[in-house]
Amino acid sequence: DVKVTQSSRYLVKRTGEKVFLECVQDMDHENMFWYRQDPGLGLRLIYFSYDVKMKEKGDIPEGYSVSREKKERFSLILESASTNQTSMYLCASSLEGSPKGYEQYFGPGTRLTVT
Amino acid sequence: SQQGEEDPQALSIQEGENATMNCSYKTSINNLQWYRQNSGRGLVHLILIRSNEREKHSGRLRVTLDTSKKSSSLLITASRAADTASYFCATSYSSNTGKLIFGQGTTLQVKP
Repeated sequence: DVKVTQSSRYLVKRTGEKVFLECVQDMDHENMFWYRQDPGLGLRLIYFSYDVKMKEKGDIPEGYSVSREKKERFSLILESASTNQTSMYLCASSLEGSPKGYEQYFGPGTRLTVT
Repeated sequence: SQQGEEDPQALSIQEGENATMNCSYKTSINNLQWYRQNSGRGLVHLILIRSNEREKHSGRLRVTLDTSKKSSSLLITASRAADTASYFCATSYSSNTGKLIFGQGTTLQVKP
């Protein structure tokens, strides 16, 4: 079974803090993704990575950065957390060029509250 | 740049009834996928249908795709209380990146 793990299920941080969200997958997937999920807005892509050290901006990258130094790990960084970044953050991974057609495997999510 | 729109936003049915959810999208796709999310958890992939397919089955799930109307439907037959969850469609429009665009989801409640 593919397993995608996220470092925390719940996180509370203060405005202005630097926040690291970690995601690890154990299936040697090339692609990794960070989404945020807000009520009424569905899932929105923040960043994705298609290889080690490679990244591309998604739809809402402002206020975020990412790091992928190893294939299995994709980190999301909030440089200076703000209250409007309070959300559920979901990490996902997928094979590249898979005959299954890019099915994504999700972690359990991190619910971040910024106060 | 949301691709998928789902209808209805919420659905409440009795156990044993069928549940139908619809998804519409805007541009040409490679495939369309359906995911399920239990409250407060990550998403789980249910089924993928390619642009050259019209119907696909998996257990009690039936998915149809109409590329001329740019729409898909997910039918859950003989629903169970355990089917209570949010269901999302996601479209793959690029063959190079694996990116998906998710709809806003349909919240399904199945009453025992």
